[in-house]
Amino acid sequence: QQQVKQSPQSLIVQKGGISIINCAYENTAFDYFPWYQQFPGKGPALLIAIRPDVSEKKEGRFTISFNKSAKQFSLHIMDSQPGDSATYFCAASMRGNTGKLIFGQGTTLQVKP
Amino acid sequence: DAGVTQSPTHLIKTRGQQVTLRCSPKSGHDTVSWYQQALGQGPQFIFQYYEEEERQRGNFPDRFSGHQFPNYSSELNVNALLLGDSALYLCASSSGLAFSDTQYFGPGTRLTVL
Repeated sequence: QQQVKQSPQSLIVQKGGISIINCAYENTAFDYFPWYQQFPGKGPALLIAIRPDVSEKKEGRFTISFNKSAKQFSLHIMDSQPGDSATYFCAASMRGNTGKLIFGQGTTLQVKP
Repeated sequence: DAGVTQSPTHLIKTRGQQVTLRCSPKSGHDTVSWYQQALGQGPQFIFQYYEEEERQRGNFPDRFSGHQFPNYSSELNVNALLLGDSALYLCASSSGLAFSDTQYFGPGTRLTVL
């Protein structure tokens, strides 16, 4: 299966809170898992990415947690800010399918002041 | 350093017409991929060009075709437009074909088919 399933569809978080978005996949050939952030009227921008040989990667307030056995990965946004309000997409790609990203359905995050 | 640029920004066509969208990759990038993003959905991979050849194709009909020029810029052509082709068309560029090369996306072209 080439799908990547993302949840929740939408999320409302108070300023300073933790935002958590989850993704699941079936194809064990997936070998690269990026997260993209998209603001209205803009193209997606890479936030952070992980390979399955590590269980966690942190960059500033953004952390990816990866569970290879469960075929799940998640994005945690610590100390969420109103400026983080955007749509977030998880994605995956396979070694050998050069650069073909399979995206999740997206999560619309609203951070309330 | 200019990022990925796309033109036009918006486009309105009628069913059955043909459309051409254009993309200039980020400076130093030689690989261009095209994605279709329907409203409220994640982007879907259409195809990828490298060295002026289509290297990878997603599940899109032959009505979707492309081209890459020697300066690495690219065009996406869609023939016999259908209402369902209405979407944001995104171009992404990267350097080389390595599967984990970061793809940089342009702002997209919003196509409306009436």
